[in-house]
Amino acid sequence: DAGVIQSPRHEVTEMGQEVTLRCKPISGHNSLFWYRQTMMRGLELLIYFNNNVPIDDSGMPEDRFSAKMPNASFSTLKIQPSEPRDSAVYFCASSLAWTGTGIATNEKLFFGSGTQLSVL
Amino acid sequence: KQEVTQIPAALSVPEGENLVLNCSFTDSAIYNLQWFRQDPGKGLTSLLLIQSSQREQTSGRLNASLDKSSGRSTLYIAASQPGDSATYLCAVMEYGNKLVFGAGTILRVKS
Repeated sequence: DAGVIQSPRHEVTEMGQEVTLRCKPISGHNSLFWYRQTMMRGLELLIYFNNNVPIDDSGMPEDRFSAKMPNASFSTLKIQPSEPRDSAVYFCASSLAWTGTGIATNEKLFFGSGTQLSVL
Repeated sequence: KQEVTQIPAALSVPEGENLVLNCSFTDSAIYNLQWFRQDPGKGLTSLLLIQSSQREQTSGRLNASLDKSSGRSTLYIAASQPGDSATYLCAVMEYGNKLVFGAGTILRVKS
């Protein structure tokens, strides 16, 4: 399997522009997570999905951030409008932890390589 | 709110040394604890997963222990090598399939 695939690897944009980050989870995985990593705050969970349904978006910093998962093989994280403080590495991760009725506690989390976002 | 703390923040050791990385968490109501490795500019790779009912897991030169009641975990690396140089993060899975991460320990193994 190719693993979790994220695109683009690097994104440089100007303040106020719309940014869309993309993620393809590992085939068959039913949980998908978006994380943000900065030196100051470490790894923060932004939102996660079980079976394509958003479960917890309490980590989404502002209404400028939105995430979708239209099907089991694709997810997007959008920032509109972007601001310099959004600069960070954004990671997508997936797992088989969701059983449909509960959590499989022995399933590992697999990360993509991340998108390095710079907002000027 | 769950808080995960890792000590030390950075560690530099000569090749061949055995070393221990520490992780503590504030809420013992966890499903599992995972240790990850992150190389510069890369994503995280899961090393070991310990379920809440387990006490330890081993993979090669790595051994992770879990004491859920005291909110502590350790990652033991035997006979360290320069290739072990990376950032090591621990994370706990809490209710709702969420992983909460520590800030990590930056390890440098000198040849």
